[in-house]
Amino acid sequence: DTGVSQDPRHKITKRGQNVTFRCDPISEHNRLYWYRQTLGQGPEFLTYFQNEAQLEKSRLLSDRFSAERPKGSFSTLEIQRTEQGDSAMYLCASRVGGEGYNEQFFGPGTRLTVL
Amino acid sequence: AQSVAQPEDQVNVAEGNPLTVKCTYSVSGNPYLFWYVQYPNRGLQFLLKYITGDNLVKGSYGFEAEFNKSQTSFHLKKPSALVSDSALYFCAVRAIPDYGNNRLAFGKGNQVVVIP
Repeated sequence: DTGVSQDPRHKITKRGQNVTFRCDPISEHNRLYWYRQTLGQGPEFLTYFQNEAQLEKSRLLSDRFSAERPKGSFSTLEIQRTEQGDSAMYLCASRVGGEGYNEQFFGPGTRLTVL
Repeated sequence: AQSVAQPEDQVNVAEGNPLTVKCTYSVSGNPYLFWYVQYPNRGLQFLLKYITGDNLVKGSYGFEAEFNKSQTSFHLKKPSALVSDSALYFCAVRAIPDYGNNRLAFGKGNQVVVIP
């Protein structure tokens, strides 16, 4: 399978714990995005990487959230001191570089439940 | 800032009938427009996009969409719906030029239910 993969698919944690999610984009895609999707809503942009550089962050990305893409390949999203409001589906997407009209390809998501 | 409105929460249609899912957008400048579909517990799958040129865009699985600049709309259509088309549909927009803003803005989605 050469699509975008995410791990884990599901994560249940207790409030206050730290969690880390991983995204492996399509290999030739140098642009990588993280989104958050809550029930009944569309995906909301969190952050964007071009190669290893994090070029844009949403105001939704509080200081408890950090994302990395150390070698311009896979990316990790860490949430520290999780809160119940962090419960959501976290989606990763990637696309080829160049023009912005190139569509983003999404992974299956990581569903986070904070108890 | 860009935004998308999908005014209907749910669209019910009988199998074999035409399907329309509505989307209007707001951007500063010209838009790139996208439709995605999401099945339960799955990520979003790309259906089609409008960049420039012909206002009628054809995509995957028999879907098409019509760009209407004066009405700022990009409605998704399928001439004959299938039960397997039952899913959640999202419209998304990106502004051109984006001045470094690479994000897509998504609507809240429309649940499509195709009745056998």
